[in-house]
Amino acid sequence: GQQLNQSPQSMFIQEGEDVSMNCTSSSIFNTWLWYKQDPGEGPVLLIALYKAGELTSNGRLTAQFGITRKDSFLNISASIPSDVGIYFCAGQLLRAGGTSYGKLTFGQGTILTVHP
Amino acid sequence: GAGVSQSPRYKVAKRGQDVALRCDPISGHVSLFWYQQALGQGPEFLTYFQNEAQLDKSGLPSDRFFAERPEGSVSTLKIQRTQQEDSAVYLCASSPTRDTRDNEKLFFGSGTQLSVL
Repeated sequence: GQQLNQSPQSMFIQEGEDVSMNCTSSSIFNTWLWYKQDPGEGPVLLIALYKAGELTSNGRLTAQFGITRKDSFLNISASIPSDVGIYFCAGQLLRAGGTSYGKLTFGQGTILTVHP
Repeated sequence: GAGVSQSPRYKVAKRGQDVALRCDPISGHVSLFWYQQALGQGPEFLTYFQNEAQLDKSGLPSDRFFAERPEGSVSTLKIQRTQQEDSAVYLCASSPTRDTRDNEKLFFGSGTQLSVL
């Protein structure tokens, strides 16, 4: 099936540092999403992107939908200890007719550790 | 409840045993999804329901996997004759809409961790 490649696989940073992670695909997606998963919990949506080139922010988080529609980037500024977790990118294709229904393809995740 | 509820949280099964995993979506949510998450991997799509209709089951790995949502609310994922490779976290998600832009904004439950010995 389709594969999303996330990098880096893991990051160890100091509190206050900025973080960047990215996701690439061999296929074009119509929607890119970024989720965060805490241990023992399900993923929680952080940001959704719908248009090539779109740049969207959610607090200290900023994500971009790549121009080629095959990649996306997530930046976290001024990291804090509660940013610890696994970050997943996910892509969605539109079905014929332009509709979609939540069938997402996820990357392998980036494990973020923040040292106080 | 306020969120998607899944039970049990943990299930240990002997190889060959049948298991049933339950999902209570957010009240009123039309769409329901099951995803499988292997250790160290991202979730993988299994199946999708719109109300009681199963519209996509393309991700179910084999005919040992069966899902239902008979009244359009609670859903059950059943795995027959479990095998070790079935060990994973099974995540349920729901969404309030269908066939619209916001349907990709999934609300996930905490999952059922299945271990097959």
